[in-house]
This record gives sequence, structure tokens and C-alpha cells, in this order.
Amino acid sequence: QQQVRQSPQSLTVWEGETAILNCSYENSAFDYFPWYQQFPGEGPALLIAIRSVSDKKEDGGFTIFFNKREKNLSLHIKDSQPGDSATYFCAASRDSGYNKLTFGKGTVLLVSP
Amino acid sequence: NAGVIQTPRHKVTGKGQEATLWCEPISGHSAVFWYRQTIVQGLEFLTYFRNQAPIDDSGMPKERFSAQMPNQSHSTLKIQSTQPQDSAVYLCASSRDNSQNTLYFGAGTRLSVL
Repeated sequence: QQQVRQSPQSLTVWEGETAILNCSYENSAFDYFPWYQQFPGEGPALLIAIRSVSDKKEDGGFTIFFNKREKNLSLHIKDSQPGDSATYFCAASRDSGYNKLTFGKGTVLLVSP
Repeated sequence: NAGVIQTPRHKVTGKGQEATLWCEPISGHSAVFWYRQTIVQGLEFLTYFRNQAPIDDSGMPKERFSAQMPNQSHSTLKIQSTQPQDSAVYLCASSRDNSQNTLYFGAGTRLSVL
């Protein structure tokens, strides 16, 4: 049973558009939700994260919208640039020390110039 | 800060051979995680250590996979009798002693089992 689901699997947007990546989760005990960005040949790197007490988190052109009741969240990438082309992973964990992150399968984003 | 260092970057083994993957966490980080990445399964948790002690190995295939952390500066993942289905990118990550769970990943070791 996949505990964290992402959609779409792949997404293509034009430069300057807003890319919207979706994520849903099963476990109500999850309360920490980071998004990781991965470029080819590299490991994933933390992009932005939100805790379940918040419904929105912004950092530069990246915004997470979180709906605890519906158990879903989305990552909005405003004014997308070709350099944003990467794979984006939604993850979840219980926010209590070293509990492991459970990752979704990722969304491959391509930003066309 | 060189980040998490994984060696080798690529490893090719024949079916039935043993593979040992190495990870050097960021200095001062007390938690080390191993994940496996494939196109089909995505990022799968394997195991993690805190202050060198094994905490959770629930993702490890029990029979052929083992992980150790003999000191704070490195961890190893050993796969015995490798099978083609073990082909994947194996990622190591480390984390500071806090509750934010920020994982810093290495670039991974791509294992190919022929």
C-alpha cells in the first residue's frame, strides 16, 4: 500500500507558467511534509517543507498548500524556469525526532523555454 | 563541507556476487539513512542508524542485505548474492540531531547486476 501518492507522473509547462504538483497521503499520523528536488545524477535535496499546523508555506517562488482534512497538499512553482526542470518528491513523516521519511514516486517536471 | 560522500558512484556485479556500498555522512550528523531508488518503486526506505546504533531496518530485504555503521564517519550497505532485481541507485543520507528531519543525500551508487 503506497502511503504517499503523487500526480501527475510527469508535467510539462511553458517558461513563466505556474506548475502545480499534487500529493496525497494515507496516514493521519503524518505531520511533517517536505518536498525534495532531484536533478539527474544527484541525490534529492530539500526544497521546502510544511507542518500540519499550517495550511500554506511560501519560500521564494515555491508555495505549498496543505489540506489536513482532505489529506492532500500541492506544490506550486510560480514563474517556472527551465532550471526548475527536475523530479519533485513529496514526502511525509511523523514529526518526532528521527522517524523516517516516506516518499512518493515523484513528478518529473519539464519547463519548456 | 563536502556533503554526504558515497563510493563507488557506479558498480557492476555479476549475478551471485557480493556488493559493498560505502557512505560517509556529513561530519556532526548523528543519523544515517539508506534508501533505494528505482523508476518503478521510487525512493524506498531501507534502514537507519542513530549515533551508530541501528534504529529501524524495516525496509531491508532480510536474507541478503545488511548494513553497518562501525564508526561515526562511515556506514556500509552489503548485498550478498546479488540478483538482477537489486539493480538500483542506492542513496545514503544523513541528518542532524533535531526534529526537522532534513535529510542531506549523497549522489548515490548506481548498482547494475548483470
